[in-house]
Amino acid sequence: QVQLVQSGAEVKKPGASVKVSCKASGYTFTGYYMHWVRQAPGQGLEWMGRINPNSGGTNYAQKFQGRVTMSRDTSITTAYMELSRLTSDDTAVYFCASDIVKLPAANHELDNWGQGSLVTVSP
Amino acid sequence: QSALTQPASVSGSPGQSITISCTGTSSDVGGYNYVSWYQQHPGKAPKLMIYDVSNRPSGVSNRFSGSKSGNTASLTISGLQAEDEADYYCSSYTSRITLVFGTGTKVTVV
Repeated sequence: QVQLVQSGAEVKKPGASVKVSCKASGYTFTGYYMHWVRQAPGQGLEWMGRINPNSGGTNYAQKFQGRVTMSRDTSITTAYMELSRLTSDDTAVYFCASDIVKLPAANHELDNWGQGSLVTVSP
Repeated sequence: QSALTQPASVSGSPGQSITISCTGTSSDVGGYNYVSWYQQHPGKAPKLMIYDVSNRPSGVSNRFSGSKSGNTASLTISGLQAEDEADYYCSSYTSRITLVFGTGTKVTVV
């Protein structure tokens, strides 16, 4: 069965960077876009961007341009999301999720989700 | 990109039907059929309930149905059950090749 297993919780200082990993199994990792979504405490879902695991190509939400980097390592079927210059507003649970349709298409409909990784930014 | 607009809360009694609306623009909901709905229980990851406006993934109860008219999509839950109590989010593909989520609706089974 499809599984997306994310890295554990992190506590970071303001101004630091965080890198969250998402290990995929049970399907062809390079066959589907991987998206990243975050959720601040008590708030709604927010799309951060997507990566094409086959080509490495990325598209980021305008809000995160210049601060987010999405990457992947196909040899270990793992996607990464790195967010820099952290502030308290970045305290959130970060999710990876795979697109429902095969590449090259991307419907931006997310059918498999990781368990989430809590990132806390605190002095 | 502004979030899609959903009611903050909807409630219903067991067995009743409820409908959640999701209003966007012609650049998202109105322009594409890539509208999805997600259910999220506290402390859990979202679960896809509806995709392509009205399709259910395998394993999702047929009590959940989706539709769209113009710039507004809707999720209907029929035969409401206690386990349906959760937060629900709509989402849509956008003309900027991005994904936008709704503001979220808390469903309470009273």
